[in-house]
Amino acid sequence: NAGVTQTPKFQVLKTGQSMTLQCAQDMNHEYMSWYRQDPGMGLRLIHYSVGAGITDQGEVPNGYNVSRSTTEDFPLRLLSAAPSQTSVYFCASSYYGAGDGETQYFGPGTRLLVL
Amino acid sequence: TQLLEQSPQFLSIQEGENLTVYCNSSSVFSSLQWYRQEPGEGPVLLVTVVTGGEVKKLKRLTFQFGDARKDSSLHITAAQPGDTGLYLCAGGYTGTASKLTFGTGTRLQVTL
Repeated sequence: NAGVTQTPKFQVLKTGQSMTLQCAQDMNHEYMSWYRQDPGMGLRLIHYSVGAGITDQGEVPNGYNVSRSTTEDFPLRLLSAAPSQTSVYFCASSYYGAGDGETQYFGPGTRLLVL
Repeated sequence: TQLLEQSPQFLSIQEGENLTVYCNSSSVFSSLQWYRQEPGEGPVLLVTVVTGGEVKKLKRLTFQFGDARKDSSLHITAAQPGDTGLYLCAGGYTGTASKLTFGTGTRLQVTL
């Protein structure tokens, strides 16, 4: 299993450009999430999905769109990049066990710089 | 709004020392998780605790969930350089999969 894969690893954008961050998992997990990580802020949830066709907003959804057409893929779209979106983006997939709570697996991250 | 506060933010110790990292909240969580993140990589789950007062051990790491399920601690015995990394706690609620709330993190450096 490859686990959770993310592409690209690095990206530089100009203000106003759009792009899609790709995320795929091969563990057949129902749940997937996108987080951003900024210095001193920990990880903040952007959007999440509890299954194909179902998505919902997290703590910081503005400026981002998601869709979940398959169990495997959960792309994150930046509509019009802004310098405030400079961050490291992590995708995660997870399953929920009644006795153990949620077990999340994170991808390696995408480092985004918006100029 | 940051619901989970971690302390200390930074910790630099020598190999062989013991340390404790704290994760505190004003909210009650159904479960509490601890992750370790190394530079350039995603967080890796270390443990999940789900019962108030629960203690779990993972080799030299001991995790405790507070009785009221509002706080947790991570104790490392005889730290090694391989323990260096960013430690993150995350709280979850029953029935709300994928909506974890993460703490701000504790950066640990263990030197020889």
